[in-house]
Amino acid sequence: QKEVEQDPGPLSVPEGAIVSLNCTYSNSAFQYFMWYRQYSRKGPELLMYTYSSGNKEDGRFTAQVDKSSKYISLFIRDSQPSDSATYLCAMIFPSGTYKYIFGTGTRLKVLA
Amino acid sequence: IAGITQAPTSQILAAGRRMTLRCTQDMRHNAMYWYRQDLGLGLRLIHYSNTAGTTGKGEVPDGYSVSRANTDDFPLTLASAVPSQTSVYFCASSDATGDGYTFGSGTRLTVV
Repeated sequence: QKEVEQDPGPLSVPEGAIVSLNCTYSNSAFQYFMWYRQYSRKGPELLMYTYSSGNKEDGRFTAQVDKSSKYISLFIRDSQPSDSATYLCAMIFPSGTYKYIFGTGTRLKVLA
Repeated sequence: IAGITQAPTSQILAAGRRMTLRCTQDMRHNAMYWYRQDLGLGLRLIHYSNTAGTTGKGEVPDGYSVSRANTDDFPLTLASAVPSQTSVYFCASSDATGDGYTFGSGTRLTVV
């Protein structure tokens, strides 16, 4: 079993839809959770960062962490064609080495 | 513009040849990383460096070496390239808090 599981997609939604992207993980020691967005032929860029369980909002984006279920989600409200990208979850042990474990990414396409 | 510069952008390399991928950051981040990204496998850590003068092995270090002579530069060397090293290589850096990585734009390497 992989440490971090993420559905690769692709996920196609109409413009304006609410998008839900998810990752599950197996190791309860993970404490820091991140979402990265990667456009085609570009490097990933940090989108959201959260430490604790619960929700964190930033504009149209909401990151949700459920440590009891080992499940994290990224919600995108009012999705736009410019949101079309691959979204990667990442998590890290509180070990001081800052080595992240990444999900394989979910490819999202928002149709105009 | 602050960030990470990777060179070359892309390269076709004959098997058996030696190749160094360059990575330079101007953010004075302590930690730097090399990942490879392959379809279906996601981002996998090759080598990392927590600070200048130190390096460590990641998940897939075989066939690769790194050095960290100063804070800004973190080159990745393939001593004798093999076709299985065909991949997109990303360099990343983070500060001491580990609050997310900054990624470069990647080097697309094809070994033939």
